[in-house]
Amino acid sequence: GAVVSQHPSRVICKSGTSVKIECRSLDFQATTMFWYRQFPKQSLMLMATSNEGSKATYEQGVEKDKFLINHASLTLSTLTVTSAHPEDSSFYICSASDPGKSYNEQFFGPGTRLTVL
Amino acid sequence: SQQGEEDPQALSIQEGENATMNCSYKTSINNLQWYRQNSGRGLVHLILIRSNEREKHSGRLRVTLDTSKKSSSLLITASRAADTASYFCATDTLYNQGGKLIFGQGTELSVKP
Repeated sequence: GAVVSQHPSRVICKSGTSVKIECRSLDFQATTMFWYRQFPKQSLMLMATSNEGSKATYEQGVEKDKFLINHASLTLSTLTVTSAHPEDSSFYICSASDPGKSYNEQFFGPGTRLTVL
Repeated sequence: SQQGEEDPQALSIQEGENATMNCSYKTSINNLQWYRQNSGRGLVHLILIRSNEREKHSGRLRVTLDTSKKSSSLLITASRAADTASYFCATDTLYNQGGKLIFGQGTELSVKP
């Protein structure tokens, strides 16, 4: 099956710093990637849809200046949490759709645990 | 965004028993998918059922879909301790905007050996 990687898997940073998370599709080209946020014991909340070569589409209530998304190539999307605060601490997961599939199956990365001190 | 509801929120059973999880959703769909998540990990795709299908099997998994009731169920038969995880349904809505999936709240399954 298709593989999606995320880096880093875990990051601890100080309040006020920025953190970049990478999402890569390893064996397929993904024109669309998705970024989710998950709090403990809760479901995934879609933050934004990342489209290669164009601006990301953010869900209602997600600050686009806070969560910068760049999808510069067909295999890489990045999420930058700017001026991170403790309330940004969460599990961030990306996924990618394989356009070669006839249905919308998304392949998920292993997630990134962000802790802001 | 609209999310589905899943019940139960938590389910604890003994190894060998069957586990049934239910999912309800709000809008018309193209398909419904079930995913599994082990604690602190990413999601693994289990099974997809299209809107024109009523039942689907994959190994010990059985999924049903009732579009008139906007609901789906996931049955895991002969459960094993390794099935312990959270299970989420996700819908690909009919008027999909960009392929995004809408996730249910999830069911936390615990299978005791």
